[in-house]
Amino acid sequence: DAGITQSPRHKVTETGTPVTLRCHQTENHRYMYWYRQDPGHGLRLIHYSYGVKDTDKGEVSDGYSVSRSKTEDFLLTLESATSSQTSVYFCAISGMTDNGYTFGSGTRLTVV
Amino acid sequence: GESVGLHLPTLSVQEGDNSIINCAYSNSASDYFIWYKQESGKGPQFIIDIRSNMDKRQGQRVTVLLNKTVKHLSLQIAATQPGDSAVYFCAENSNYQLIWGAGTKLIIKP
Repeated sequence: DAGITQSPRHKVTETGTPVTLRCHQTENHRYMYWYRQDPGHGLRLIHYSYGVKDTDKGEVSDGYSVSRSKTEDFLLTLESATSSQTSVYFCAISGMTDNGYTFGSGTRLTVV
Repeated sequence: GESVGLHLPTLSVQEGDNSIINCAYSNSASDYFIWYKQESGKGPQFIIDIRSNMDKRQGQRVTVLLNKTVKHLSLQIAATQPGDSAVYFCAENSNYQLIWGAGTKLIIKP
């Protein structure tokens, strides 16, 4: 989607290895979010950020950490990947709390 | 707890007919709702939103209806086209977060 990019688009990694996913925006939006999407679960919030260095946990934050050192970048890290973290990860941005989100194209992560 | 859900997981509609996708929510204090469309291999795309001080809002070929009495939300798509095939999610905006339903898959029959 215009204004938001995720990298990588696909990744296969081994159990126990660290993985970092990147979300980059050019919209200067304050709010950024990381979701995971799994069959039967819809979209579940992992972590979100409401400003530089301001982050908070979502409903499925265990095993994940985030960092936001710049407005435009929001990183999601799996410190030690597990097979249960195989999923499609989406980043989203929003200018306001009560406004629609713009989503990235997703990162498909497979942990083997 | 709070939840947003959908009545039907799959909806099949004849091309050219109108589609109606339904959603129930449980948090009566919610004041903002959004519908998203997700095509295969892509991220969710914003379709239309509505605030709780409204009952109806129209967009291009889409209408969202909000019934606060029964906590029900619906998305109507007029003259459904093949390009409307996707999974549709309703979401409730609450305190920096979106609470998502599980999604309804819309299938268009030729």
